[in-house]
Amino acid sequence: DAGVTQSPTHLIKTRGQHVTLRCSPISGHKSVSWYQQVLGQGPQFIFQYYEKEERGRGNFPDRFSARQFPNYSSELNVNALLLGDSALYLCASSLSTGGVNTEAFFGQGTRLTVV
Amino acid sequence: GESVGLHLPTLSVQEGDNSIINCAYSNSASDYFIWYKQESGKGPQFIIDIRSNMDKRQGQRVTVLLNKTVKHLSLQIAATQPGDSAVYFCAEKSNYGQNFVFGPGTRLSVLP
Repeated sequence: DAGVTQSPTHLIKTRGQHVTLRCSPISGHKSVSWYQQVLGQGPQFIFQYYEKEERGRGNFPDRFSARQFPNYSSELNVNALLLGDSALYLCASSLSTGGVNTEAFFGQGTRLTVV
Repeated sequence: GESVGLHLPTLSVQEGDNSIINCAYSNSASDYFIWYKQESGKGPQFIIDIRSNMDKRQGQRVTVLLNKTVKHLSLQIAATQPGDSAVYFCAEKSNYGQNFVFGPGTRLSVLP
């Protein structure tokens, strides 16, 4: 069984550029969440999507956007990259957004370095 | 606002000993908690979870304890092994939110 898959695994971008990160959830999972993890800290919530609709947004600027596709995969987009956007971006997959099936399983992440 | 924190940033234990990792949370309305293990260069790995209607839950070599009175969560690892060396995060989910709130993590080092 495939777990949560993210691509690319590593990425180097220049300040001002934009980036698109991709995530495929566990088969059967309809909810995808994105987290940013800066080195030495815990993950910080960015977005949650369920059934292609945004269900939650963390305290991140409008430069961050995301979407979910009919097959439940998701993209995270970041525009006008700043040095401070350098982090590990994690995608988490879960069956639903609430109730008993709320376990979240993470992918390996995309390591983004902005230079 | 809600937040989740840990008492110790690092913990060193001898191989074979039991480990106890602690976590304090601030939102008394939170109803679901997960402990994650994160090894270097990898994403967080689900270890064990517990709901607010429980005080204790056991898994394979791991036990999570929840004390709602003092808003404290702990992870106990029995017979700690070198493969247990990692950063451990507690994560909290509120009953009105859609996301998990993570603490800063505790780095567990297992000494030979």
